[in-house]
Amino acid sequence: DAGITQSPRHKVTETGTPVTLRCHQTENHRYMYWYRQDPGHGLRLIHYSYGVKDTDKGEVSDGYSVSRSKTEDFLLTLESATSSQTSVYFCAISGDYNEQFFGPGTRLTVL
Amino acid sequence: RKEVEQDPGPFNVPEGATVAFNCTYSNSASQSFFWYRQDCRKEPKLLMSVYSSGNEDGRFTAQLNRASQYISLLIRDSKLSDSATYLCVVKGGGGSYIPTFGRGTSLIVHP
Repeated sequence: DAGITQSPRHKVTETGTPVTLRCHQTENHRYMYWYRQDPGHGLRLIHYSYGVKDTDKGEVSDGYSVSRSKTEDFLLTLESATSSQTSVYFCAISGDYNEQFFGPGTRLTVL
Repeated sequence: RKEVEQDPGPFNVPEGATVAFNCTYSNSASQSFFWYRQDCRKEPKLLMSVYSSGNEDGRFTAQLNRASQYISLLIRDSKLSDSATYLCVVKGGGGSYIPTFGRGTSLIVHP
């Protein structure tokens, strides 16, 4: 299995609080991605990174920010969590034309 | 028109059956194609890449038809353990390395 971990694996938080999810890889892959998955919507791209300090928005980026200060770490921050951000969040890594590998996911509940 | 389209199913088949899924894509410049499998509440995992000449891995066969812009997945001798959601992924084209996911096709194999 590709070396990719996510933390925390589960989190319950309250509306309005900041939340940071971490993705860590040991594969030295250039690309890292954050997705959310909700019933009826499939996987939706939030943000992605194509190198250290190089990030771009995906299709559902509102309310989320990201940072990548090291090749191996990609952080997703919800500045002020809302109930609509309750979801399963997956991190993924890849090379240029290669397949993606996914982390185990983080289940976030915003009350 | 969605960039990558799949029939959501579910496909309900008995053990031992042969089942096929198709996935259409809109970007004719797409360069890489994959099938992923996702079990309930788990991360997507790579099932197989799809090559221009077609490729086989055990009971699974993948085909690419560039002229008609679709890829297919054939599963022979279905097992109960094949029950999952199968995601089609298309990558590349127009200078983008960002993959596009279909919403998935649900397969249920029953005894």
